Amino acid sequence: AQSVTQPDIHITVSEGASLELRCNYSYGATPYLFWYVQSPGQGLQLLLKYFSGDTLVQGIKGFEAEFKRSQSSFNLRKPSVHWSDAAEYFCAVATGGGNKLTFGTGTQLKVEL
Amino acid sequence: EPEVTQTPSHQVTQMGQEVILRCVPISNHLYFYWYRQILGQKVEFLVSFYNNEISEKSEIFDDQFSVERPDGSNFTLKIRSTKLEDSAMYFCASTEGPNTEAFFGQGTRLTVV
Repeated sequence: AQSVTQPDIHITVSEGASLELRCNYSYGATPYLFWYVQSPGQGLQLLLKYFSGDTLVQGIKGFEAEFKRSQSSFNLRKPSVHWSDAAEYFCAVATGGGNKLTFGTGTQLKVEL
Repeated sequence: EPEVTQTPSHQVTQMGQEVILRCVPISNHLYFYWYRQILGQKVEFLVSFYNNEISEKSEIFDDQFSVERPDGSNFTLKIRSTKLEDSAMYFCASTEGPNTEAFFGQGTRLTVV
């Protein structure tokens, strides 16, 4: 069965510092990968997605992610974090023809001013 | 920008009561989903719906749960006899097709007392 692992439950970074959130997946076929962000009390907003092609994908709010098949990873990065980026970040993999999403446990990002 | 709309945003119900959570997916989308997030836990898939029938459901989605698309715009989740452990945030999502990005609603926070 497919699974997604986000090894970091909490991460704290200073505003302006770079950020990398880790995501590893387990899935037999070619995965469709996503990063979503959830602000407190809010829904899930799509940051970026990987379906095929270029393994470095750009998303909204200055985020990017790199798909590495050999490492089964899809890490999220941002060169310079803003205080408004504080939120919970979920990595997800789509499986099955109907696009069911399997989510990781999430990484809570705190930004220090 | 089109969006998925969920009502109500918050519902409190007594244990054993029936609740109906409502969603209006994006109008040209064909696949519909319900997910839930128990406080502090990850987002879990409940059910997917396509062509007026359930296409996949999780172990969580037992006989107490049902989904319906009563008209051309609404998509509902019914819980027949709520239990304390049904307390969670319930998210509706829709996709245009298989393996396309999912758009999520803002969620309905269900509290069972």
